[in-house]
Amino acid sequence: KNEVEQSPQNLTAQEGEFITINCSYSVGISALHWLQQHPGGGIVSLFMLSSGKKKHGRLIATINIQEKHSSLHITASHPRDSAVYICAVKKGAQKLVFGQGTRLTINP
Amino acid sequence: KAGVTQTPRYLIKTRGQQVTLSCSPISGHRSVSWYQQTPGQGLQFLFEYFSETQRNKGNFPGRFSGRQFSNSRSEMNVSTLELGDSALYLCASSSPSGGGETQYFGPGTRLLVL
Repeated sequence: KNEVEQSPQNLTAQEGEFITINCSYSVGISALHWLQQHPGGGIVSLFMLSSGKKKHGRLIATINIQEKHSSLHITASHPRDSAVYICAVKKGAQKLVFGQGTRLTINP
Repeated sequence: KAGVTQTPRYLIKTRGQQVTLSCSPISGHRSVSWYQQTPGQGLQFLFEYFSETQRNKGNFPGRFSGRQFSNSRSEMNVSTLELGDSALYLCASSSPSGGGETQYFGPGTRLLVL
């Protein structure tokens, strides 16, 4: 079993829909990252969380440390949100461990 | 501030050759991490350097090596290339201590091994 599991693996939605991507992990962590990767490969760091909730524009990320679970929400989704979203966890000063990614497609 | 830069952006090599990839972090960032991304394995951590010292290493064979210079620029080297080394190689920098902070990724070097 992977240390970091994301669901769903693929998600297709219509423009305007509320999107939720989930990430579960099996180890104690010091931080959890949400990353966005567009076609072509460039990766952008969206959030780094160690507790609670963060919001940036239409994106919201939450983490529940006790349940070892994080969610990334996108409100009022837009075709430009189409990308692969990757969850990654860091254990102390150790390496980042990545989930397999969620491919999101938003249709106009 | 300029972002993380990686050179070259694309590279074609043949089996058995070696390759050196370069990464220049954001000015002031002292931590540089390298990652390999393949369709089958996804993103995997290669190594992390901080102040010219390797701080963490992933589960890759010794053919993969790296170093960091006093100006924080980093290089990774892959010797005796194999077909399976074809991948997107990404580097990321973070600041100031590198422990858990936001990582800023470069555009990647796409390596094709024939």
